[in-house]
Amino acid sequence: SAVISQKPSRDICQRGTSLTIQCQVDSQVTMMFWYRQQPGQSLTLIATANQGSEATYESGFVIDKFPISRPNLTFSTLTVSNMSPEDSSIYLCSGTGTGNEKLFFGSGTQLSVL
Amino acid sequence: LAKTTQPISMDSYEGQEVNITCSHNNIATNDYITWYQQFPSQGPRFIIQGYKTKVTNEVASLFIPADRKSSTLSLPRVSLSDTAVYYCLVGDVGRDDKIIFGKGTRLHILP
Repeated sequence: SAVISQKPSRDICQRGTSLTIQCQVDSQVTMMFWYRQQPGQSLTLIATANQGSEATYESGFVIDKFPISRPNLTFSTLTVSNMSPEDSSIYLCSGTGTGNEKLFFGSGTQLSVL
Repeated sequence: LAKTTQPISMDSYEGQEVNITCSHNNIATNDYITWYQQFPSQGPRFIIQGYKTKVTNEVASLFIPADRKSSTLSLPRVSLSDTAVYYCLVGDVGRDDKIIFGKGTRLHILP
C-alpha cells in the first residue's frame, strides 16, 4: 500500500495570501486527486492532478484559485490563492492506481484563514 | 458514476455487530463497491472492496446481493474505536475515473 505524506499539516494564514500544500507518495501512482473537507461534511473533489499537464477541475473550482502541479508520478502540489476565510477547510491529497482502486490519503492540511 | 445512499448516522454498543447498508440502484456492470472509514482529523482509509456475493478481511465483511443494487458493510463486535464515518463508493476499478464521495454514515459506538 502507498504512503502519502502531506505538508504542512496545518497553517493559519492571512487573508489575501497564498499557501502551497505538498503531497509526496512513496511509490508511483497513476491518479492523484485533491479534495476539500469542511468540518462535519463529506469530501468534495477539487481536481484530478494530471502528470505533466493541466489538472482537471470539478465544477466550482478554477485553476486561478487552486493551481495544481504534478511534475511526476509521486509528487503534486495544490496552491490556495488569494485566500479568504471561506477557504478555511481541510485539504486532502490522495492517490491510486487506476481509478476506483484502493485510494490512499494523506493526513490532510488544516487551513485557517483569518 | 452510480449514486449511493446511506443512512446519515447510526448508534450501536460495544461488542455488537454493526451492519451499514448502502443503496446503489444504478450500479454498472463493471463497477466495484468500496468502503472507506474516516476518523476525525485523518484522511479516509480503505476498508474493503467487492464485486458480488461476500468478501471478508480482517476488519469487515461486505455482503452484495445478486442484483448488486445494494451492499452491506458488516463490522463484527465493534469497539469504541470503530466510531467513525463510513463511506460507500461505487465505480469501475479498471477505468481512470474521478472518485466522488457521498455523505457517508456517521457511526457512534456507545460503551
